[in-house]
Amino acid sequence: EAQVTQNPRYLITVTGKKLTVTCSQNMNHEYMSWYRQDPGLGLRQIYYSMNVEVTDKGDVPEGYKVSRKEKRNFPLILESPSPNQTSLYFCASRRQGNNQPQHFGDGTRLSIL
Amino acid sequence: GQNIDQPTEMTATEGAIVQINCTYQTSGFNGLFWYQQHAGEAPTFLSYNVLDGLEEKGRFSSFLSRSKGYSYLLLKELQMKDSASYLCAVRDQDDKIIFGKGTRLHILP
Repeated sequence: EAQVTQNPRYLITVTGKKLTVTCSQNMNHEYMSWYRQDPGLGLRQIYYSMNVEVTDKGDVPEGYKVSRKEKRNFPLILESPSPNQTSLYFCASRRQGNNQPQHFGDGTRLSIL
Repeated sequence: GQNIDQPTEMTATEGAIVQINCTYQTSGFNGLFWYQQHAGEAPTFLSYNVLDGLEEKGRFSSFLSRSKGYSYLLLKELQMKDSASYLCAVRDQDDKIIFGKGTRLHILP
């Protein structure tokens, strides 16, 4: 089954404790991205990657890191999480091409205390 | 700056028709997407428009006017399961996807 898989789905942790949210897609998509979704603010892009070893900042990259060592994986790293990073996070992937829609993972709900 | 506007909330009755509008101002234009998102779930793709006109897909249709920077999503024969948020998203000239804040649609029985 074609899918984008994120882990964990839920995490409660404390300020300053490094964490990684994994994202994997099995559709051989070139393009992957991370979003956070907050009430009243909609989906905001954190980082994106157009292919292996190519990553770029989105609209809200501060406090986050990503890597794209393999085509299928695009982990999101919070080196020193803070409470303002409490949010619902989505990973998405798509093929290159203007008409290609994004496929989203099921989301990761992070709470930073 | 880049901006996508859509109403925050709308209410409609089961069996009726509702139109959700979206206006955009972006750096170039390479297509407009509509997604549906149920509470706490992932967005799912509904439609794509890049040329002016109407695209019909069953009960859902999407319209685009590039000259006016305007799109709408039309939902017919509303069902309770259509209660969700509807997200308008534009791909700009740099291949970046910009999302609107979404329209929460409430369906009344």
